[in-house]
Amino acid sequence: GAVVSQHPSWVICKSGTSVKIECRSLDFQATTMFWYRQFPKQSLMLMATSNEGSKATYEQGVEKDKFLINHASLTLSTLTVTSAHPEDSSFYICSATREETQYFGPGTRLLVL
Amino acid sequence: GENVEQHPSTLSVQEGDSAVIKCTYSDSASNYFPWYKQELGKGPQLIIDIRSNVGEKKDQRIAVTLNKTAKHFSLHITETQPEDSAVYFCAASIGRGGADGLTFGKGTHLIIQP
Repeated sequence: GAVVSQHPSWVICKSGTSVKIECRSLDFQATTMFWYRQFPKQSLMLMATSNEGSKATYEQGVEKDKFLINHASLTLSTLTVTSAHPEDSSFYICSATREETQYFGPGTRLLVL
Repeated sequence: GENVEQHPSTLSVQEGDSAVIKCTYSDSASNYFPWYKQELGKGPQLIIDIRSNVGEKKDQRIAVTLNKTAKHFSLHITETQPEDSAVYFCAASIGRGGADGLTFGKGTHLIIQP
């Protein structure tokens, strides 16, 4: 399989601050990456599609000004949670596409105090 | 949009027995159906996938079947082992698997009893 990494693996921040999460494809190039969110004991929900060199496509109900996505290279996509609030606390997981298959990163647990 | 239903939510089987998890989808345009295993605190791991041009796929103890007419697909795990205990998610995608995001089922907590 393909290897996808995320950094950091967990982060705690104060309400009102911004947090950046990185997603990297380690052994392949990915023109498309995806960001998902998973609340405790729930399923994964697609937040946005990140395309290298173009603007991200957001799912209905996801605020694009709050969740900033940048896909500046074929191996890196970043998700920035701006002005984070406690309700943004969740498990954020990215995936990258290789040969028409999505491989997921290990996830980033965000806790907003 | 696509809607994926998954059953059961919890499944407990004796070690060595088989486990079956079933999913249905709503959008007939969906043509890619992966299954993921997620352990506590970790990201989902792809265990098997199937595309709409085949009805069954097998990889050692794991198999997936697809019925496009009925819009349902199932995961079969034989000779279950304690390390199979995890949450399993089915998913569906309209795209070929890489170009479109996945719609997930709610997950099945599989418990293998020793």
